[in-house]
Amino acid sequence: KQEVTQIPAALSVPEGENLVLNCSFTDSAIYNLQWFRQDPGKGLTSLLLIQSSQREQTSGRLNASLDKSSGRSTLYIAASQPGDSATYLCAVRLVYSGAGSYQLTFGKGTKLSVIP
Amino acid sequence: NAGVTQTPKFQVLKTGQSMTLQCAQDMNHNSMYWYRQDPGMGLRLIYYSASEGTTDKGEVPNGYNVSRLNKREFSLRLESAAPSQTSVYFCASRDLGLNQPQHFGDGTRLSIL
Repeated sequence: KQEVTQIPAALSVPEGENLVLNCSFTDSAIYNLQWFRQDPGKGLTSLLLIQSSQREQTSGRLNASLDKSSGRSTLYIAASQPGDSATYLCAVRLVYSGAGSYQLTFGKGTKLSVIP
Repeated sequence: NAGVTQTPKFQVLKTGQSMTLQCAQDMNHNSMYWYRQDPGMGLRLIYYSASEGTTDKGEVPNGYNVSRLNKREFSLRLESAAPSQTSVYFCASRDLGLNQPQHFGDGTRLSIL
């Protein structure tokens, strides 16, 4: 069974710092990996999706990398701002396996606080 | 842009009561999903619908039923609510294609007393 782990569970940094969030998964047979942001009391917003054939994706100050063979992904946030404070979740989609093909397996998230 | 809309946003039920959570998407997506999010457990898939007219069980389907009413709407029903079903419920939808992202609603916060 695919397991997704995110370490640390919480992170507090001063404004302006560059930071890295980590995600690891146990089964490397994935279609893609997604990073989401969740604000308190809100749903998930998709930030980046990396296909299994890709090594990284970038959007603004965000850069996500994927090393499928080692089962790891990182989300790099440059020049952090207080508005980046949220919980960040990663999720993987396994390759087709019948009923499981449409499912995402989520990590429990990293709660980020950016201190002004 | 409405995206994925869930109703109600909050609900309190008594044990044994029934309730239907509603979800609608306006993006013409084929696939729709119901998740629950619990502290320390992350998001877990309850049911999904790959296309109109089909539904399948996810990781934690016991105690729930779903209906894909049409392409836009996917409802989740609790027939006899139990305190263990206290959770935040999220609906999501996704377009066709292997690498299309899921889009989430803002959730329904459900408490069972």
